[in-house]
Amino acid sequence: AQTVTQSQPEMSVQEAETVTLSCTYDTSESDYYLFWYKQPPSRQMILVIRQEAYKQQNATENRFSVNFQKAAKSFSLKISDSQLGDAAMYFCAWGPFYKLSFGAGTTVTVRA
Amino acid sequence: EPEVTQTPSHQVTQMGQEVILRCVPISNHLYFYWYRQILGQKVEFLVSFYNNEISEKSEIFDDQFSVERPDGSNFTLKIRSTKLEDSAMYFCASSGQRSSGNTIYFGEGSWLTVV
Repeated sequence: AQTVTQSQPEMSVQEAETVTLSCTYDTSESDYYLFWYKQPPSRQMILVIRQEAYKQQNATENRFSVNFQKAAKSFSLKISDSQLGDAAMYFCAWGPFYKLSFGAGTTVTVRA
Repeated sequence: EPEVTQTPSHQVTQMGQEVILRCVPISNHLYFYWYRQILGQKVEFLVSFYNNEISEKSEIFDDQFSVERPDGSNFTLKIRSTKLEDSAMYFCASSGQRSSGNTIYFGEGSWLTVV
């Protein structure tokens, strides 16, 4: 069974600082995708960043970047220059094309 | 920016009643999904739909559930004879052609409370 593990239930970061969220997954497939979604209190699921497994280059989106280690099956998210609006639950997700498996989530709080 | 829209945003229903959750996926998308999130738990895959048929479903998606694309724009999830444990946020999602990658966009969710 494919599993996604987020080992940090909660993370706290000072405004303007950097925080890294960890994610590991387990699969025997070679063609898949990885995502980080943000879920604010409104509970909407907002795509933060995506990574194709066949790409070695780590994805970046503005202040968000990933460290994708395929051999280690690791997919961490780095949030740089943290802002108050970054406070939310962050979910890591793994999937083939037709469905996603989610981790349990990491709650990020940003201290002013 | 195109978005997935869902209605209703919140519904309260009596146990045993039927519920239909509606979704309008992004217009040029071909793959449609339903996920659910029980309060405090992880998001779980229910079903994926492509070319007017179910392409994949989880063990959660039993005979109580059904999906339909009744016209060119709507995608619905029907829950027959709701149970207390069906209380959850239900997310509709959609994605485009596989060649364009597997970015799955979620709607804002429909919060279902079964009493």
